[in-house]
Amino acid sequence: DIQMTQFPSSLSASVGDLVTITCRPSESVSTYLNWYQQSPGKAPKLLIYAASNLQSGVSSRFTGSRSGTDFILTISSLQPEDFATYYCQQSYSTPRTFGGGTRVEMK
Amino acid sequence: EVDLVESGGGLVQPGGTLRLSCRVSGFSFSRFPMAWVRQAPGKGLEWVAKIKQDGSERDLLESVKGRFSISRDNAKNSLYLEMNRLTAEDTGVYYCVREPVGWFYFDYWGRGTLVTVSS
Repeated sequence: DIQMTQFPSSLSASVGDLVTITCRPSESVSTYLNWYQQSPGKAPKLLIYAASNLQSGVSSRFTGSRSGTDFILTISSLQPEDFATYYCQQSYSTPRTFGGGTRVEMK
Repeated sequence: EVDLVESGGGLVQPGGTLRLSCRVSGFSFSRFPMAWVRQAPGKGLEWVAKIKQDGSERDLLESVKGRFSISRDNAKNSLYLEMNRLTAEDTGVYYCVREPVGWFYFDYWGRGTLVTVSS
């Protein structure tokens, strides 16, 4: 199974901050890497698919990129509705696996 | 508008059985692979099972093989998860998700149904 290491596990930030979250697969997933946002009590929401493609209807302040074997989710200017937990996920092979999540909290 | 509505969750004793259902609307169900993803209380997301558009191929998380089965009825726009020999580790919210062919991300999620395995 492909293990997904996500870091940090949590971070504190303020409105307007730039936030970056990193995901590192245990083996190559090509660009089959997706990012989700989950607010408390809600179902996850797809933000980015195929590493860098913005899902329809998602704010452009979310971007996905790749640096070597790492995948990065960047939130350019944190908004109040962005305080949530973020997960990466590989869709290269089954079992589909998720990172452990990054909780973004208000500083 | 795309909608996925799960049902069938509840409280069940260890060793018991539950059948989850997911009724979908707003898209051509028979054209999409589907999957179940679960989340234990306070924990992260875990993929459980997937099924191809016509039901010809299915895959399950290793820890549920032999206990769970996934199926679908395209005529009823419905996805199912039959869960047998349940344990406390199966407790959580179960989400029905759509998985478009190609990049296989999960683009639409249901609101989830809670399964609690406890005596």
